[in-house]
Amino acid sequence: DTGVSQDPRHKITKRGQNVTFRCDPISEHNRLYWYRQTLGQGPEFLTYFQNEAQLEKSRLLSDRFSAERPKGSFSTLEIQRTEQGDSAMYLCASTPGVWNYGYTFGSGTRLTVV
Amino acid sequence: AQKITQTQPGMFVQEKEAVTLDCTYDTSDQSYGLFWYKQPSSGEMIFLIYQGSYDEQNATEGRYSLNFQKARKSANLVISASQLGDSAMYFCAMREGLVNNDMRFGAGTRLTVKP
Repeated sequence: DTGVSQDPRHKITKRGQNVTFRCDPISEHNRLYWYRQTLGQGPEFLTYFQNEAQLEKSRLLSDRFSAERPKGSFSTLEIQRTEQGDSAMYLCASTPGVWNYGYTFGSGTRLTVV
Repeated sequence: AQKITQTQPGMFVQEKEAVTLDCTYDTSDQSYGLFWYKQPSSGEMIFLIYQGSYDEQNATEGRYSLNFQKARKSANLVISASQLGDSAMYFCAMREGLVNNDMRFGAGTRLTVKP
């Protein structure tokens, strides 16, 4: 198992464009989480899935953000009409349904909106 | 309201010495879990150690130990015999309730190990 993979590693986009990020979790992990991290801050929760069901969305996740996890495998996070304030590191994590199990994070996608 | 507080933006430690990184938390749940993560400059979050609210003993994982003081709602990370490779950001996090809810993170502490 190669861990959690995220693609792309870096994305530079013009304001107003749409972007999509992909996350491939560890195959036996049924829970998948998206976080956003800005410079000097801890990760902020965005949303999470159990299998294909999206169970919780943060208030941070405006209508411009949407996430999917078809068939409970990989997940995509799309940001429409990007704004400069969307510039951040977007982290994906997965975990099995075990209470005391820490999340396994991917390396993240760094988004820069110019 | 901020649930996880890390009051030390930056810490320095001499190589081979021990260091304590502070973390306090706020919850009304009886069941919760506390986690520490390391984030090197490469950006990947690395899980270090876990402490459950019902665990009577402090958690240990190699050179990492968690000083859990439930009444004070603190969960400090102790790193013994610091190494240069320990230089990184360290985040304390909490997951509340018995359901596998999401994890909330503190603002982090940047640890620098000096040779």
